[in-house]
Amino acid sequence: GENVEQHPSTLSVQEGDSAVIKCTYSDSASNYFPWYKQELGKGPQLIIDIRSNVGEKKDQRIAVTLNKTAKHFSLHITETQPEDSAVYFCAAAGTALIFGKGTTLSVSS
Amino acid sequence: GAGVSQSPRYKVAKRGQDVALRCDPISGHVSLFWYQQALGQGPEFLTYFQNEAQLDKSGLPSDRFFAERPEGSVSTLKIQRTQQEDSAVYLCASSLARAAEAFFGQGTRLTVV
Repeated sequence: GENVEQHPSTLSVQEGDSAVIKCTYSDSASNYFPWYKQELGKGPQLIIDIRSNVGEKKDQRIAVTLNKTAKHFSLHITETQPEDSAVYFCAAAGTALIFGKGTTLSVSS
Repeated sequence: GAGVSQSPRYKVAKRGQDVALRCDPISGHVSLFWYQQALGQGPEFLTYFQNEAQLDKSGLPSDRFFAERPEGSVSTLKIQRTQQEDSAVYLCASSLARAAEAFFGQGTRLTVV
């Protein structure tokens, strides 16, 4: 089955800096790659997603890149703000939506 | 409702008790997923339904775990003879299709004492 690895597990940045989170997946049949943000006591919320026929997608300060050959995808957050502090999960959809173990992002002002 | 609704939000069970967790997906969503999230970990896949059909239950950790979605809408995750290692947040998600945006409920936090 699908296996998703996510790095780093924790990331601390200064407000205004960029943050990058990377994931790799194992199942070449996976074709949908969402990113979720989870705040304490809440369920994960989708922030951006990308499909396998696209290499990059941007939405304001957030971008995701996908390299299908290398089976890895990344989340880029620019001009980070304290409210970006949360746990971020990548996921890959093959037969089911499989998640990475998460990255705790801390943005200090 | 507008989103995925899970109940109860919190459940405390004595070891050995049976529990039932409910998920009300977004109306019209064909796909429904259950996940188990331990503290500080990512959601671990348990099972997947397409309408009333359980297409994948490979993530259920033991035969004490059972899920159903008899009419293709509301789903129930049942855990029999609960054990301490079952303590976790159980998340339900629904989507229009398997590889489409999945919307999560707030989860049920199960504590087995």
